[in-house]
Amino acid sequence: DIQLTQSPSFLSASIGDRVTITCRASQDTSTYLAWYQQRPGRAPKLLIYAASTLQGGVPSRFSGGGSGTEFTLTISSLQPEDFATYYCQQVKSYPLTFGGGTKVEIK
Amino acid sequence: QVQVVQSGAEVKKPGSSVKVSCKASGDTFNSNAVSWVRQAPGQGLEWVGGIIPMLGTTYSAQQFHGRVTITADSLPSTAYMELRGLTSEDTAVYYCARHGGYRPVSYPLDSWGQGTLIIVSS
Repeated sequence: DIQLTQSPSFLSASIGDRVTITCRASQDTSTYLAWYQQRPGRAPKLLIYAASTLQGGVPSRFSGGGSGTEFTLTISSLQPEDFATYYCQQVKSYPLTFGGGTKVEIK
Repeated sequence: QVQVVQSGAEVKKPGSSVKVSCKASGDTFNSNAVSWVRQAPGQGLEWVGGIIPMLGTTYSAQQFHGRVTITADSLPSTAYMELRGLTSEDTAVYYCARHGGYRPVSYPLDSWGQGTLIIVSS
């Protein structure tokens, strides 16, 4: 199984800050990596797929990068609605796996 | 854009089974894979398994092998997850989600249901 390790697990930031979340895979996942946002009490929402492709309707302040075993999700200027938990997921091989999540809270 | 609507919350006894459904509207599941993902209270996301509806091919995470059955009907476009031998550790919100392509690998989950809370309690 491909294990995904996200860091940090918790992040405190202010409106307007640039934040970066890292996802490290235990094996090469090429670019078969997606990022999701989950607000409290809501279903996850796809933000980025294929490591760096923005899903339709997602604001351009979100960006993704990386390949192989190291990936990043960057929010260029944090907005109030961005305070949520973020998960990476690999879709390279079965079983599909998720990272442990990064909770972004207001400083 | 597809809307995914799941069946309602249930309370089950330990040792029993539960069957959760999700229906696509505005589009179908027929050309897209469907997966089930669960989230225990205060925890992260866990992939349970998935199905390629047009082939009926199913996949599941090792910890659910022999305990989960995932099926799909084309008319109406509905997917089902049945989980047997429930324990308190199966208490979670179960999400149904559509993949962006015909199989679970390679394609992310681009449309999610609202989630179904399953509580296992004696």
